[in-house]
Amino acid sequence: QSVLTQPPSASGTPGQRVTISCSGSGSNIAVPSNTVQWYQQVPGTAPKLLIYFDDQRPSGVPDRFSGSKSGASASLAISGLQSADEAYYYCAAWDDSLNGRVFGGGTKLTVL
Amino acid sequence: QVQLVQSGAEVKRPGSSVKVSCRASGDIHSSYGVSWVRQAPGQGLEWLGGIIPQFGIPNYAQSFRGRVTITADRSTNTVYLEMSSLRSEDTAVYYCARDRYGGNSGGYYYYNMDVWGKGSTVNVSS
Repeated sequence: QSVLTQPPSASGTPGQRVTISCSGSGSNIAVPSNTVQWYQQVPGTAPKLLIYFDDQRPSGVPDRFSGSKSGASASLAISGLQSADEAYYYCAAWDDSLNGRVFGGGTKLTVL
Repeated sequence: QVQLVQSGAEVKRPGSSVKVSCRASGDIHSSYGVSWVRQAPGQGLEWLGGIIPQFGIPNYAQSFRGRVTITADRSTNTVYLEMSSLRSEDTAVYYCARDRYGGNSGGYYYYNMDVWGKGSTVNVSS
């Protein structure tokens, strides 16, 4: 049971916009200084940082990817969906009660 | 861009210990620590803990305190993860990642894993 809650799956067709949610609590996402990260993982490879500081993209990440946070929840939006976006997506944040980083269970994105 | 090079695959017996290494190709900037994350077969990501090499101060996930030790050797830019009392459920790929940290001597937190190693497979089997 993951501390952060994500839907196990999401899907969309090429060109569509999809959103993946990440629900937390008052000890992690809801704390303004506990910023949310999103990681993308293609099976068999290491995760890749997609979003940090709730809504910032590292250099090289297309602006089709965007992040947002409101209260104890965060979201990752992917617009102009491409087949290359098919992967697992994980949210993460620091948890003050556990004094550690916590992850969501991951969402498998399928491009139909 | 710094790269993280991890040690090779390990096969261990239940009850034994394993030590995995993560060497940075260059100096990890003082603004960064190094975290360890594992992924069991078919499962999600799990944070084990991290260390700030310049201070040598580790921070462990609650589930692993007492069983995991993270150390850093600044002379070789290498961070180590040692796990004891291994059980079959510890079979996983173990990743190290460069991780931005914040806080102070009263407590540090991590918030941005931007460079990852390729992973080290640990197989625990009798």
